Amino acid sequence: VELLESGGGLVQPGGSLRLSCAASGFTFSSFAVTWVRQAPGKGLEWVSTISARGANTFYADSVKGRFTISRDNSKNTLYLQMNSLRAEDTAVYYCAKGRGDTGSSEIYHFDYWGQGTLVTVSS
Amino acid sequence: DNQMTQSPSSLSASVGDRVTITCRASQTISRYLNWYQQKPGKAPKLLIYATSTLQSGVPSRFSGSGSGTDFTLTISSLQPEDFATYYCQQSYSTPPTFGGGTKVEI
Repeated sequence: VELLESGGGLVQPGGSLRLSCAASGFTFSSFAVTWVRQAPGKGLEWVSTISARGANTFYADSVKGRFTISRDNSKNTLYLQMNSLRAEDTAVYYCAKGRGDTGSSEIYHFDYWGQGTLVTVSS
Repeated sequence: DNQMTQSPSSLSASVGDRVTITCRASQTISRYLNWYQQKPGKAPKLLIYATSTLQSGVPSRFSGSGSGTDFTLTISSLQPEDFATYYCQQSYSTPPTFGGGTKVEI
């Protein structure tokens, strides 16, 4: 199993960025996937989850209305579109694979993680 | 949201020590509690899921216990490679929430 994030970088407050996570080594279309972030020197914060077929999406209150999670199962890729970025969105963003696609215990069981991509929001 | 509180936030220990980290949920989570290990500059790694089940490849010196709101991660004999930060996380309900972390230092 491999998850490889990309798309991070420096962006000004109010700007936009799209992160990608390329998956391999498992049947991507069978598992929920999630974005988790970690601000510098801080703990882990769940951001968003999408179900296996993309029918269901879930967001943290801190990003609801600004971030959009999506996936392309034909390309084995997860995305996070981030708009109206704020300084407090500065973090390393990880994608993580769920154990399955049924119920909280499976979708929020993060058994594999990518190496992360750094997003810095600053003027 | 279900708040997860870990204690201590940091601890100092020696190789060979028995180490215990606790995690408390603000609402019951049955046994839907996972533990992750994170080393500096690296992604978190799943150690234990469903309170006490070791992820494949995790050494048996790691163990977990608890139910309801109170949980424990134990390292029976600390090894040099175990110095890291440990996080608990509940997978019982949305949003999934993490504890603040416990840094295990020499």
